Amino acid sequence: DVKVTQSSRYLVKRTGEKVFLECVQDMDHENMFWYRQDPGLGLRLIYFSYDVKMKEKGDIPEGYSVSREKKERFSLILESASTNQTSMYLCASSFQGSGYTFGSGTRLTVV
Amino acid sequence: AQSVTQPDIHITVSEGASLELRCNYSYGATPYLFWYVQSPGQGLQLLLKYFSGDTLVQGIKGFEAEFKRSQSSFNLRKPSVHWSDAAEYFCAVSRNYGQNFVFGPGTRLSVLP
Repeated sequence: DVKVTQSSRYLVKRTGEKVFLECVQDMDHENMFWYRQDPGLGLRLIYFSYDVKMKEKGDIPEGYSVSREKKERFSLILESASTNQTSMYLCASSFQGSGYTFGSGTRLTVV
Repeated sequence: AQSVTQPDIHITVSEGASLELRCNYSYGATPYLFWYVQSPGQGLQLLLKYFSGDTLVQGIKGFEAEFKRSQSSFNLRKPSVHWSDAAEYFCAVSRNYGQNFVFGPGTRLSVLP
């Protein structure tokens, strides 16, 4: 089975800090995605990537950036964390026809 | 633009009862359709998917879903619910083979003993 691993289950950061959320998949998938999930708002796409060093903005990219230097790793960066970025962050990967495989999520609290 | 609606925010059923979760989508061509389940504090797990062919698809954990083009629906069903099925369920649509998903808002399922 494909595994998508998010490095942290829970994170607490201070306002203004630079935050890195790491995601690693082990099945050579081309596509990787970052979502945030908030009550009443469902899943919203932040960024995605179809290949190494490629990135595309999703629906809510403001305040975020991403890095994909290796195929298996897709990092989400909060340049200057703010309290409105407190959320559950979900990483997913896929290849053609597979559907998404999700990680377990990182619950980020910004204080 | 694609969109997915799940009319029921929260459903409560008794253990052993049948279940149907509704999903309607808006999309111009034949979409790729998915159902995911999320247990509390966890990521999303794929239950089943429809790409083409037989409109009744079987998934894991005893779930099935039926694609009805005329109704733009992809409802999820289970004949007998177990307490462990309590979770949040998401319907999703994709236009290009597992990329660029649009998720519905989710339906939370509670199961009474």
